[in-house]
Amino acid sequence: NAGVTQTPKFRILKIGQSMTLQCTQDMNHNYMYWYRQDPGMGLKLIYYSVGAGITDKGEVPNGYNVSRSTTEDFPLRLELAAPSQTSVYFCASRPEQGYGNTIYFGEGSWLTVV
Amino acid sequence: AQTVTQSQPEMSVQEAETVTLSCTYDTSENNYYLFWYKQPPSRQMILVIRQEAYKQQNATENRFSVNFQKAAKSFSLKISDSQLGDTAMYFCAFMLSGNNRKLIWGLGTSLAVNP
Repeated sequence: NAGVTQTPKFRILKIGQSMTLQCTQDMNHNYMYWYRQDPGMGLKLIYYSVGAGITDKGEVPNGYNVSRSTTEDFPLRLELAAPSQTSVYFCASRPEQGYGNTIYFGEGSWLTVV
Repeated sequence: AQTVTQSQPEMSVQEAETVTLSCTYDTSENNYYLFWYKQPPSRQMILVIRQEAYKQQNATENRFSVNFQKAAKSFSLKISDSQLGDTAMYFCAFMLSGNNRKLIWGLGTSLAVNP
């Protein structure tokens, strides 16, 4: 069972570079999320989507963009990377109904901006 | 607005003993879900246990159980027969039912299980 798959797992970016974190889920979940987790901290919501073609900002959207052209994919775009974006990024998804709305997480993407 | 508070930043327990992690939350809603997630050093987020607010019976998953006190807005996690592999950060999380969109997270409790 693949679940939620994130790529890459590790990446080092230089200041000002751009990149896309890929996220794919094979559970036909409508809801998808991007979180970031800074060292020693909890998760903060960057963006979320309730279905294909629909996205919305979370708590910390600045410096990021997302798109949701299909149910399966929810890529996160970093434009003009800054050291403050050094973090671990988690993609997650959940079904609209069922199993208590449990959220399923990917394994995380470690990003360092130098 | 909903909030989740974990008042114990760090805890430790001896192997095979029992430990309880605290979580309180604030909401004016009646229908919601509560979760405990475990994050080991690998940083992967793993669901430990979940509780639906409309259920009075406390959820149990093997060595993990919760004490859900809805009136007190408390949701503590008990780990019995602690194992070295239980060493991790534990996050309490809250989510409204219905057309909700996001989890509200606590800041976590770092649990160390000592041999």
